[in-house]
Amino acid sequence: QVQLQESGPGLVKPSETLSLTCAVSGASINSSYWSWIRQSPGKGLEWIGNIYNSGSHSSNPSLTNYNPSLKSRVIISVDTSKNHFSLKLTSVTAADTAVYYCARDRYSYGLFEYWGQGTLVTVSS
Amino acid sequence: DIQMTQSPSSLSASVGDRVTITCRASQTINNYLNWYQQKPGKAPTVVIYGASNLQSGVPSRFSGSGSGTDFTLTISSLQLEDFATYYCQQSYSRTFGQGTKVEIK
Repeated sequence: QVQLQESGPGLVKPSETLSLTCAVSGASINSSYWSWIRQSPGKGLEWIGNIYNSGSHSSNPSLTNYNPSLKSRVIISVDTSKNHFSLKLTSVTAADTAVYYCARDRYSYGLFEYWGQGTLVTVSS
Repeated sequence: DIQMTQSPSSLSASVGDRVTITCRASQTINNYLNWYQQKPGKAPTVVIYGASNLQSGVPSRFSGSGSGTDFTLTISSLQLEDFATYYCQQSYSRTFGQGTKVEIK
């Protein structure tokens, strides 16, 4: 059974960078798509972006896709040695306060088939 | 960007009722439409994928239909465990509807 677990600071100051990690168990981080999604009362569920890691040793084994509305502030990366992937969101404001979920993305259906439990991140000074 | 509009935003129903939730896309998405159920404090779970495919483990009282821009999620006989919020989501740019809360009458 695929399981995902988000971790990271629950409080981030405005203008700083939000950093979260998603640990994956029950599946290899390679050869699958992995997404970040957030949920806030104001904007509902919002897809942030995804990453695919081929597992090859080429110079660029990862492919990323980002929500255009967040693209300028988002970086998603993968660490195959730890079987986890990460999210960085820069220059945060109060509007970035949300529950952040990681999920496995069944790309052929654009389906988020396995989700982590979610972690609340509050942006406040 | 493809916008997803669900209706109604909320509904009240009784155990045993037939419930229908509608989702409309702002442009055609063929059958690339998924439905999720979310209970308070929990992550969403898949109910239907590809517009009409029942996710493994989901009761057969759930069904999905539609193609193009108009889609429907139907619960044929509402059970206590079905009271939750339901979201549609399109697969192209992965946007979600605003949700439909199913409450006990």
